[in-house]
Amino acid sequence: DVVLTQSPATLSVTPGERISLSCRASESVDTYLHWYQQKPNESPRLLIKYASQSISGIPSRFSGSGSGTDFTLSINGVELEDLSIYYCQQGNSLLTFGSGTKLEIK
Amino acid sequence: QVQLKESGPGLVQPSQTLSLTCTVSGFSLTSYSVHWVRQHSGKSLEWMGRMWSDGDTSYNSAFTSRLSISRDTSKSQVFLKMNSLQTEDTGTYYCARGLTYFDYWGQGVMVTVSS
Repeated sequence: DVVLTQSPATLSVTPGERISLSCRASESVDTYLHWYQQKPNESPRLLIKYASQSISGIPSRFSGSGSGTDFTLSINGVELEDLSIYYCQQGNSLLTFGSGTKLEIK
Repeated sequence: QVQLKESGPGLVQPSQTLSLTCTVSGFSLTSYSVHWVRQHSGKSLEWMGRMWSDGDTSYNSAFTSRLSISRDTSKSQVFLKMNSLQTEDTGTYYCARGLTYFDYWGQGVMVTVSS
């Protein structure tokens, strides 16, 4: 199975910062890498598909990049409402999720 | 609009079988895949398996021996059955729509395995 490793596990941020979250795959997943946001007691929400493709209704401050084994989710100007857990997920070989990165206030 | 809603018992006894239903609206099961995803409290997400639009199924190897996914297209429902439940199967179970990614999710159903 493809293992996705997310780092850091927790990121302390200041509103307005530009931040980057990492997701590394144990083998190439091409660009079949997707990002989700999950707030407490809510279902995950799709943020980015196929590594870098935007999703309708998602704020433009969210962007993704990467291919193969190394991927990044960037938030350009973190807002308080972005405090959540972020998961990457690959769909190249069956489906697996990363362990998540939690954003918290510094 | 697209909606998915899980239903099923909140409490299951150890060694028993879990049966969950995902009722969808706003799309056809013959056009989209529906998946089951589990989340232990405070933990990450775990893909369990999927019902393809053509009626075929795929499973996470961690569940293959005790998981079965089926559907009733006339009722727009996808079913999960998992036997030999243990306390570590406690968690929230989601159904979600998609192919390689999940664009719509249900609200989830909390399942506790306890005697």
